[in-house]
Amino acid sequence: QKEVEQNSGPLSVPEGAIASLNCTYSDRVSQSFFWYRQYSGKSPELIMSIYSNGDKEDGRFTAQLNKASQYVSLLIRDSQPSDSATYLCAVRDSGGSNYKLTFGKGTLLTVNP
Amino acid sequence: DAEITQSPRHKITETGRQVTLACHQTWNHNNMFWYRQDLGHGLRLIHYSYGVQDTNKGEVSDGYSVSRSNTEDLPLTLESAASSQTSVYFCASSLDSNQPQHFGDGTRLSIL
Repeated sequence: QKEVEQNSGPLSVPEGAIASLNCTYSDRVSQSFFWYRQYSGKSPELIMSIYSNGDKEDGRFTAQLNKASQYVSLLIRDSQPSDSATYLCAVRDSGGSNYKLTFGKGTLLTVNP
Repeated sequence: DAEITQSPRHKITETGRQVTLACHQTWNHNNMFWYRQDLGHGLRLIHYSYGVQDTNKGEVSDGYSVSRSNTEDLPLTLESAASSQTSVYFCASSLDSNQPQHFGDGTRLSIL
């Protein structure tokens, strides 16, 4: 059974701080990793995808991937109250024609003004 | 703009009834997925399809069925609704293996 683990939180940070969200996965050969943001009562919304070891930056968001440690993280710089949401880590199942994603249960982030 | 739409947005029904949730996407994506989301369980895959006439079971498929007669639609049917199937249901689609899945707005289903 493939697993994706996230701290459930809540993670509380002050406005302007860096929020760090972490995710570990069990499938050693996974190749594609995604972070989704989900506001309460809404659907998941893609914010970052990462496929190679290292960092990928997009605005205030940075995704970090370490395949050797089976670890992916999301950093949110200059956190805003509008960033308060649940963040879902998703890992594509391995296998050439396998398009399924396994999701973590999500980390609830609260940014305090 | 291309999009993925789910209907209805909310539904209340009784145990034992057949229920069908619709999912329609205009991206021409081959891959479509149905999830349920419950507190404490996160998103769990019910069924998925990689193209017309292709359907596959996910981790929580018991009591659910899908059919894929065209690229745009993947309806989810609950053959005989049970209270345990009260949940929020999301449909998603993706273009290929390295592309992310994009989600519809969800259907909140209550079974009394």
